[in-house]
Amino acid sequence: GDSVTQMEGPVTLSEEAFLTINCTYTATGYPSLFWYVQYPGEGLQLLLKATKADDKGSNKGFEATYRKETTSFHLEKGSVQVSDSAVYFCALGGNQGAQKLVFGQGTRLTINP
Amino acid sequence: DVKVTQSSRYLVKRTGEKVFLECVQDMDHENMFWYRQDPGLGLRLIYFSYDVKMKEKGDIPEGYSVSREKKERFSLILESASTNQTSMYLCASITGARNQPQHFGDGTRLSIL
Repeated sequence: GDSVTQMEGPVTLSEEAFLTINCTYTATGYPSLFWYVQYPGEGLQLLLKATKADDKGSNKGFEATYRKETTSFHLEKGSVQVSDSAVYFCALGGNQGAQKLVFGQGTRLTINP
Repeated sequence: DVKVTQSSRYLVKRTGEKVFLECVQDMDHENMFWYRQDPGLGLRLIYFSYDVKMKEKGDIPEGYSVSREKKERFSLILESASTNQTSMYLCASITGARNQPQHFGDGTRLSIL
């Protein structure tokens, strides 16, 4: 079945560092890919999405490109801030009934000032 | 903006009690979901519903049931709460259209004593 594998955390960076969180997937067909972010004590919020190969999703300085040839959707940001500290989830959707999502296990990111 | 509202942010119950977690969405979404989130395990799907009175088991349905009497409301029921059901519970909803993201509530942190 479909699956998502995320880079294991936790990840700790200094402010203004470059961020990459790896995400690879296994799926049949043409899924959509999503990154969600969960700030402390809150639910998940959609960060960005891409619906077809070579699409780039972007939001709040974060970017991810849907790479079908490498089955990847890595999350990047050029200069992280303390406020980016959160848990990040990669997810795959659109391949299953009722629009179910398949989630990675999440990556906890901590940014130190 | 889509609003998914979970009735409680924090809840403390005792072993053996019947527990109800309520979720309401305001966007006329067909599909609704209940997840639990535990450290190191990511999000696991408990149940989902694709229409009023329709429900399907997710990956970990044991010990839970659900009710969807109205389109906007999806309830999760712990028939006889146990300590291993202490967790963060997240509700989500999504339209039936393809390539759309799920929208999440803020979560209910449930403790079973």
